[in-house]
Amino acid sequence: AQKVTQTQTSISVMEKTTVTMDCVYETRDSSYFLFWYKQTASGEIVFLIRQDSYKKENATEGHYSLNFQKPKSSIGLIITATQIEDSAVYFCAMREPNNNNAPRFGAGTKLSVKP
Amino acid sequence: EAAVTQSPRSKVAVTGGKVTLSCHQTNNHDYMYWYRQDTGHGLRLIHYSYVADSTEKGDIPDGYKASRPSQENFSLILELASLSQTAVYFCASSERDAEQFFGPGTRLTVL
Repeated sequence: AQKVTQTQTSISVMEKTTVTMDCVYETRDSSYFLFWYKQTASGEIVFLIRQDSYKKENATEGHYSLNFQKPKSSIGLIITATQIEDSAVYFCAMREPNNNNAPRFGAGTKLSVKP
Repeated sequence: EAAVTQSPRSKVAVTGGKVTLSCHQTNNHDYMYWYRQDTGHGLRLIHYSYVADSTEKGDIPDGYKASRPSQENFSLILELASLSQTAVYFCASSERDAEQFFGPGTRLTVL
């Protein structure tokens, strides 16, 4: 069964710095999809960025990028030049493509960006 | 216009009562999902569906039923609500291997 683990419960950084949030996963499949989502204080959940396991290049989207290390089953989210509005809870998710499966989520990491 | 809507947005139910949470999507997505979020925790999968008139069990299906009468609509049913089902419930939709679009959530309090 697929499993997603985020060990960092909370992180606090100063504005305009770079932060990395960790995520490790377990899967028996050689092909899978990884996602990061952001949940704001209002409760809204939005998609940020994805990494397909067969792609060697790390995905980037604006000031978000990923550090994909397939041998370590790791997908870290990197936020550069953090802003106050980046304060939120970040979730990692994985989907195995077989058997019409559904994505599973990690427990989330709460990021606080301080001025 | 929001592509995934949920109703009600909040609800107070009594223990042992029946609760139905509704979700509607205009994304034309095949997949729909119900997740539960407890305070300070992640999203746990309850039920999902990849085609109308069919549902699949997630990781925590006990105490919940799901119904997908059409591509656009997906309901979560609590036949006998219990205190432990107090949580925020999120519906989402997606294409098969793509990112999910979430609804605004329904805050359910069981007393």
